[in-house]
Amino acid sequence: SAVISQKPSRDICQRGTSLTIQCQVDSQVTMMFWYRQQPGQSLTLIATANQGSEATYESGFVIDKFPISRPNLTFSTLTVSNMSPEDSSIYLCSVGDRNYGYTFGSGTRLTVV
Amino acid sequence: GNSVTQMEGPVTLSEEAFLTINCTYTATGYPSLFWYVQYPGEGLQLLLKATKADDKGSNKGFEATYRKETTSFHLEKGSVQVSDSAVYFCALGISGNTGKLIFGQGTTLQVKP
Repeated sequence: SAVISQKPSRDICQRGTSLTIQCQVDSQVTMMFWYRQQPGQSLTLIATANQGSEATYESGFVIDKFPISRPNLTFSTLTVSNMSPEDSSIYLCSVGDRNYGYTFGSGTRLTVV
Repeated sequence: GNSVTQMEGPVTLSEEAFLTINCTYTATGYPSLFWYVQYPGEGLQLLLKATKADDKGSNKGFEATYRKETTSFHLEKGSVQVSDSAVYFCALGISGNTGKLIFGQGTTLQVKP
């Protein structure tokens, strides 16, 4: 299965600022997925990132707040913009498919103060 | 719509006890089913999967059978160890090419010596 390197692993940010999270995969993949795990909660899909096209956002998530880049088949970034304390969560990227399963990055633990 | 319901935790067991964590789902089409595990301070790991009805996924002594008639995918282990203490997530991979995973709320397992 693919190996994902995600960084930063954690950060503490001031409200109103932005943080960009990076995910690097060791193989070429068509789709990359970004999830959010709020404290004590389950995972929720933010968006699906395809190379060469706009990301597809789930209900409740918008591009202005969570812009995503996908410049090639092994890399993607998620930016959390104009942060507030409510954005404090773990953010994870993922690759895979429903037949073989999905691999997750180690996550970025974000605290907004 | 598509959804996953897990039994509420936390579940506390003594070492060598039998474990069952219930998971039921609602889905259109023919989903794949997964169990993920999140050990304390670590990322999400795929524990096992099943891609069609009556498939049994197994790994590390854990098993789960895809039961279409009862829309269930219960996780079982015959003899738990302290090292199995973690949060377990049941997840649904929906039909089609979206690659989207829908997670249950997670069940915390604590195994005492």
